[in-house]
Amino acid sequence: GESVGLHLPTLSVQEGDNSIINCAYSNSASDYFIWYKQESGKGPQFIIDIRSNMDKRQGQRVTVLLNKTVKHLSLQIAATQPGDSAVYFCAENPYNQGGKLIFGQGTELSVKP
Amino acid sequence: NAGVMQNPRHLVRRRGQEARLRCSPMKGHSHVYWYRQLPEEGLKFMVYLQKENIIDESGMPKERFSAEFPKEGPSILRIQQVVRGDSAAYFCASSRLTITDTQYFGPGTRLTVL
Repeated sequence: GESVGLHLPTLSVQEGDNSIINCAYSNSASDYFIWYKQESGKGPQFIIDIRSNMDKRQGQRVTVLLNKTVKHLSLQIAATQPGDSAVYFCAENPYNQGGKLIFGQGTELSVKP
Repeated sequence: NAGVMQNPRHLVRRRGQEARLRCSPMKGHSHVYWYRQLPEEGLKFMVYLQKENIIDESGMPKERFSAEFPKEGPSILRIQQVVRGDSAAYFCASSRLTITDTQYFGPGTRLTVL
């Protein structure tokens, strides 16, 4: 079956450094990908998304890269701040499965001051 | 513009009781999704609804669980005869359109079954 997984369950970075969070997906039918940030006790917060006709998209301090050849997705956070500490989930939306999102396990990002 | 609203935020039930979770989508959104999150895990899709219609309930257990999104009022996720394994965070998301439209999540309802 399809799955979305993350390479590392935890990531610790120094404040000011760049962070890279990786995600692998297996469903070739997925054509829409989203990164969410979840702080403790809160709901997932939309960060950035990308569609399969793109390989890169930039937001404010964040960049998402999509490599469809190897089914890999990454989230880059520039100049990481303590407020970035959270669990980050990638999610895929297969076009042949209606609107449901398939989430990965999540990576916990810890930013050291 | 208010985001997705969920209530209650915390719900405690004893085994065998019923749990009702409510979700009001963002203004202008007519698609609602329910997800369940167990501790230390990602979110798992349960059900997708539009007004008065269940579109996809493939992730929802066949027994004890039901969902509705009436013409008026919030979407309701109902769990009958709760068991300890139902303890989890339940999140609702809404989108304006579907299939590749952004889903925005509410704060969740944390259900604890004693």
